[in-house]
Amino acid sequence: EAQVVESGGGLVQPGRSLRLSCAVSGFNFDDFGMHWVRQAPGKGLEWISGISWNGADTGYADSVKGRFTISRDSAKNSLYLQMDSLRPDDTALYYCAKDQGGSWPGNGFDIWGQGTMVTVSS
Amino acid sequence: SYVVTQPPSESVAPGKTARITCGGDNIGRKNVHWYQQKAGQAPVLVIFRDSARPSWIPERFSGSNFENTATLIISRVEAGDEAAYYCQVWDSSDDHRGVFGTGTLLTVL
Repeated sequence: EAQVVESGGGLVQPGRSLRLSCAVSGFNFDDFGMHWVRQAPGKGLEWISGISWNGADTGYADSVKGRFTISRDSAKNSLYLQMDSLRPDDTALYYCAKDQGGSWPGNGFDIWGQGTMVTVSS
Repeated sequence: SYVVTQPPSESVAPGKTARITCGGDNIGRKNVHWYQQKAGQAPVLVIFRDSARPSWIPERFSGSNFENTATLIISRVEAGDEAAYYCQVWDSSDDHRGVFGTGTLLTVL
């Protein structure tokens, strides 16, 4: 069964950093693009970053560009999100999602994890 | 940046047809994907590329996309269809960014 599992969330002070991980299994990681989508409490979905199958292409939402960095490690079948200069409005549930294809830009997101919660507060 | 708009809520009686819209400038030229999110759960892809269904989604779910409006259609609505529905496109005007609609809460009466 194809699945993705996020980890690394927690409580962090404003201005600090956090690194999220997403472990994938049940499909060939190297064939597909991957994305991070977040959802603030009681709010809608927000795409924040994506990466193509080989890591050559990446994209970021304006809200995180310059602060967040997406990467992937095929040897570990893992996706990462390095989050720097965190702000209170970054507080959200962060989902890892698999793209239906490998190219950039992407397609629909057909596999989602359960999310990892990030709370930015002093 | 590209903006997509959805009505905040829709309601429908069981057994009837629900139509949820997603508006955007010439959205008919883009591929539109739809997600269902039930309370406390992760989103699930229900329609991709305007009208295609993943294998795990029943035939009651369909979609269309023309000119400035994409539509998710749910036939023979069931109580279990009550959820928030989000449309999603790619904004290719600037660095190819993903864009979600604001979401529509479907209530089954």
